[in-house]
Amino acid sequence: EVKLVESGGGLVQPGRSLKLSCAASGFSFNDYWMGWVRQAPGKGLEWIGEINQDSTTINYIPSLKDKFTISRDNAQNTLYLQMSKLGSEDTAIYYCARVTTIALFDYWGQGVMVTVSS
Amino acid sequence: DIQMTQSPASLSASLGETVTIECLASEDIYSNLAWYQQKPGKSPQLLIYYANSLNDGVPSRFSGSGSGTQYSLKINSLQSEDVSIYFCQQNYDSPWTFGGGTKLELK
Repeated sequence: EVKLVESGGGLVQPGRSLKLSCAASGFSFNDYWMGWVRQAPGKGLEWIGEINQDSTTINYIPSLKDKFTISRDNAQNTLYLQMSKLGSEDTAIYYCARVTTIALFDYWGQGVMVTVSS
Repeated sequence: DIQMTQSPASLSASLGETVTIECLASEDIYSNLAWYQQKPGKSPQLLIYYANSLNDGVPSRFSGSGSGTQYSLKINSLQSEDVSIYFCQQNYDSPWTFGGGTKLELK
């Protein structure tokens, strides 16, 4: 069974940084692109970015390229999202997702809440 | 970026009814269109890809259609478990973008 479990969320002050993790199991992690999608409270879905199998290609939505960094550790079957200079607009549920070869998100984690507030 | 516009934003229907949700792309996405279902308090699940291909395990009462810039999701014989928010997503050109969502409730 494919399982994705995010962790590392919580309350963070504006301007600070936070690193999310996503532990993957039930599939061959190093065979897949992985990605992050977020959902602000009561809002729609926003793609953040994606990383290929060996971390040689990482794509971001342009508006977040200078704030967020995606990485992965294939030995630990874990995906990461490093977030910096956080603002209230970054308050959201953050989902990690497995990405298919045609850029679809076929499995999602349960999501982790990040609240940016003083 | 390709903009995805969904309509309606919310929809109320009775059990057994047929409902249709629309998704309009700001440019031709050549059927590279997916639909996701997000049940209350849960993460999204992939329902349909390539505009009309059902993902594994998705009930046959769900169907997708469309081409060019206009796409739709149809649910026949609405069931209580279909109460969800539905999102469309274009996977034609990065950055991948989603519609704003359609909240489906029971009347």
